[in-house]
Amino acid sequence: DARVTQTPRHKVTEMGQEVTMRCQPILGHNTVFWYRQTMMQGLELLAYFRNRAPLDDSGMPKDRFSAEMPDATLATLKIQPSEPRDSAVYFCASGPAGLSRGQPQHFGDGTRLSIL
Amino acid sequence: QKEVEQNSGPLSVPEGAIASLNCTYSDRGSQSFFWYRQYSGKSPELIMFIYSNGDKEDGRFTAQLNKASQYVSLLIRDSQPSDSATYLCAAPTGANNLFFGTGTRLTVIP
Repeated sequence: DARVTQTPRHKVTEMGQEVTMRCQPILGHNTVFWYRQTMMQGLELLAYFRNRAPLDDSGMPKDRFSAEMPDATLATLKIQPSEPRDSAVYFCASGPAGLSRGQPQHFGDGTRLSIL
Repeated sequence: QKEVEQNSGPLSVPEGAIASLNCTYSDRGSQSFFWYRQYSGKSPELIMFIYSNGDKEDGRFTAQLNKASQYVSLLIRDSQPSDSATYLCAAPTGANNLFFGTGTRLTVIP
């Protein structure tokens, strides 16, 4: 059963530290998404890639967040320096082309991040 | 106006009743819609999608789409306590992305 794999599942660190989250999309999926979820804001899109190229990162604070896709099997989301307000669950999702005809995004289990 | 709007609830229904979850969207060009279910502490999982006006049924779930009113709903018949979760409505943009609503929390009371 194909799955999106995210690591780590949990991360607790002090403010100011660098945080790196990783995602392995489902093999063959050409679109990768990073979301942040909090109780107050719900599910927010941070960035997404198609065929490894960044298409939209307007939802991401550029001064501290960066997203990359060094190859088709790995996407990374980095926060440097981290702040307490970054505490959230970060989800990676991947999908094939063709969302308009019912092709869904598949979510990973998320990284639960706590910045102290 | 948000792209996709949902009543955040919480919505409580007794076991065996019909739960009705509603969603409105702003982009008249949207062609398909997705319902995701998210259990507490878990990731969203797709349960239904619909792209034609009218109803689509899958087991106890029925998705309803009314493009003229820009309205999509999810009905859960014979609600079970295991249906207690947050339900997210999503609509695609033209750029192979999805807008998610903030979700409606459903509680089914035994």
